[in-house]
Amino acid sequence: AQSVAQPEDQVNVAEGNPLTVKCTYSVSGNPYLFWYVQYPNRGLQFLLKYITGDNLVKGSYGFEAEFNKSQTSFHLKKPSALVSDSALYFCAVREGTGRRALTFGSGTRLQVQP
Amino acid sequence: NAGVTQTPKFRVLKTGQSMTLLCAQDMNHEYMYWYRQDPGMGLRLIHYSVGEGTTAKGEVPDGYNVSRLKKQNFLLGLESAAPSQTSVYFCASTLNIDSNQPQHFGDGTRLSIL
Repeated sequence: AQSVAQPEDQVNVAEGNPLTVKCTYSVSGNPYLFWYVQYPNRGLQFLLKYITGDNLVKGSYGFEAEFNKSQTSFHLKKPSALVSDSALYFCAVREGTGRRALTFGSGTRLQVQP
Repeated sequence: NAGVTQTPKFRVLKTGQSMTLLCAQDMNHEYMYWYRQDPGMGLRLIHYSVGEGTTAKGEVPDGYNVSRLKKQNFLLGLESAAPSQTSVYFCASTLNIDSNQPQHFGDGTRLSIL
């Protein structure tokens, strides 16, 4: 079985401050991890992924995520938030072998205040 | 490239009516997916297809049927709509299982069942 938890429904941060959106996962084997962003009335857009290699993954729009195997976490980060980063963020996981469909977290709404 | 296109974008149905949601992709992707998005529940997989002529059940398949007669199209059918099927439906596609490429999403179909 595979699952994802996003413990925060909403994260509020001031523009220019660093942001973190949390994600923890559970899989039987090696995890393939993804972050997506959703803007109002749009589909999900891919931000970044971890398959293997360096634990720090860099993605679109200045976002990065750190894979931590011992804590089974894949937190999304950005050094300096922008108001335009305000959106709904989803973490997703799938096992490296076997089941191929992604399992998504419940989403975290990021609100960046000017 | 249009990417993933969903039609219609909005629809209101009465309980018991039937309808078909169409998803079309022009990226020659093998895998296609149908999800539903409900508040606080993230995306849940309804059905998916690993290639033309194949379909498989996802997490919440009851009340839905799918068909993949052509590689570029993936249809989602509601035979007898129920209010519990009020949701936003997203279609997604990805190249194949070995590429680890992210899923590409359409902009969604907002469906209300009265």
